[in-house]
Amino acid sequence: DAKTTQPNSMESNEEEPVHLPCNHSTISGTDYIHWYRQLPSQGPEYVIHGLTSNVNNRMASLAIAEDRKSSTLILHRATLRDAAVYYCILRAPNFGNEKLTFGTGTRLTIIP
Amino acid sequence: KAGVTQTPRYLIKTRGQQVTLSCSPISGHRSVSWYQQTPGQGLQFLFEYFSETQRNKGNFPGRFSGRQFSNSRSEMNVSTLELGDSALYLCASSLSGYYNEQFFGPGTRLTVL
Repeated sequence: DAKTTQPNSMESNEEEPVHLPCNHSTISGTDYIHWYRQLPSQGPEYVIHGLTSNVNNRMASLAIAEDRKSSTLILHRATLRDAAVYYCILRAPNFGNEKLTFGTGTRLTIIP
Repeated sequence: KAGVTQTPRYLIKTRGQQVTLSCSPISGHRSVSWYQQTPGQGLQFLFEYFSETQRNKGNFPGRFSGRQFSNSRSEMNVSTLELGDSALYLCASSLSGYYNEQFFGPGTRLTVL
């Protein structure tokens, strides 16, 4: 599996945008970029995923570099509930391969 | 729709014992995956079951095993427990297919004394 690199930790003020970076320089042409987050004392939850184009959903936006070697998860207006560990994961398009390979993730702290 | 449920939530065992953890997936989900989470190794994939068959397997010793029933409920078993097996065990279910999101349960916290 191609590897991802994320900062160990980040801090952000409440109600401000947060940009969480992820480097994946060895990404293959068909790998999708997925983001999950794990709130304290909970299992991980899906946030968003994309291939080439930028993606938006009700939780966040995903900006993907033109060369696909990096991506950024954007939380438009952070709340205290967004404090979590955020994982950037590459998934190959193999039907039936449900395995998620988690890295160390970024621990996001929201400052009130 | 009810989420993924795992029982028990907390468990304390002693070395050498065996343990069985249970996972009930979201209704209609046929794929169930298991993960181990420890402070040192992070989240690691154990195995995945689909239609009662193990479809994918991680790099864990044979003491870790699992099964899936016809209603998609799954169990994992750890035999001859070691101190290092203390961890949060997470179960995830999905519809299975391309890029389907995985839905995780709250986990079972296993402590081995």
